[in-house]
Amino acid sequence: GENVEQHPSTLSVQEGDSAVIKCTYSDSASNYFPWYKQELGKRPQLIIDIRSNVGEKKDQRIAVTLNKTAKHFSLHITETQPEDSAVYFCAASATDSSASKIIFGSGTRLSIRP
Amino acid sequence: GAVVSQHPSWVICKSGTSVKIECRSLDFQATTMFWYRQFPKQSLMLMATSNEGSKATYEQGVEKDKFLINHASLTLSTLTVTSAHPEDSSFYICSAPLPNSYNEQFFGPGTRLTVL
Repeated sequence: GENVEQHPSTLSVQEGDSAVIKCTYSDSASNYFPWYKQELGKRPQLIIDIRSNVGEKKDQRIAVTLNKTAKHFSLHITETQPEDSAVYFCAASATDSSASKIIFGSGTRLSIRP
Repeated sequence: GAVVSQHPSWVICKSGTSVKIECRSLDFQATTMFWYRQFPKQSLMLMATSNEGSKATYEQGVEKDKFLINHASLTLSTLTVTSAHPEDSSFYICSAPLPNSYNEQFFGPGTRLTVL
């Protein structure tokens, strides 16, 4: 089955700097890669996703890149703000004829220093 | 927009008792739902896929007789933790695929289970 690895486990950056989180996946059939932000005790919130037919996607300060050949994908947050502090999860999913399960990475605790 | 609810939001029970958690899709139908468990400071681990009208599909290492899943209707899946023990204390989260999407899912708010 799919295995998603995520690094780093913790990340501290100065407010205004950029943060990068990297993930790898194992199943070449995976074609959907969402990123979630989770605050303590809350549900994961989708912040951006990318499908395997594109290599990059951007939404304001957040961007995601995908390298299908290397099975790598990354999250980039620019101009970080205190409200970006949270736990971030990458995930991977493979489309089949029915709804597909999402497999999560281990998470990155991002702290923004004022 | 699509909304998934869970009930209860938190529950405390004694060791040995059973606890039922409900997951509902409020404004759409979901033939498939997913159940995750999240221990403190860990990731969401997929427990099982709940299938309307058929048996649930469990992930490796998850005891199907301990975590009973019933997908009673197109909007309701239930997870029953039987004979709960302190090690079952966790955050249980369900999800359902968004309508007309094979991949995107909406997550419920989670249920915090504490077993004394």
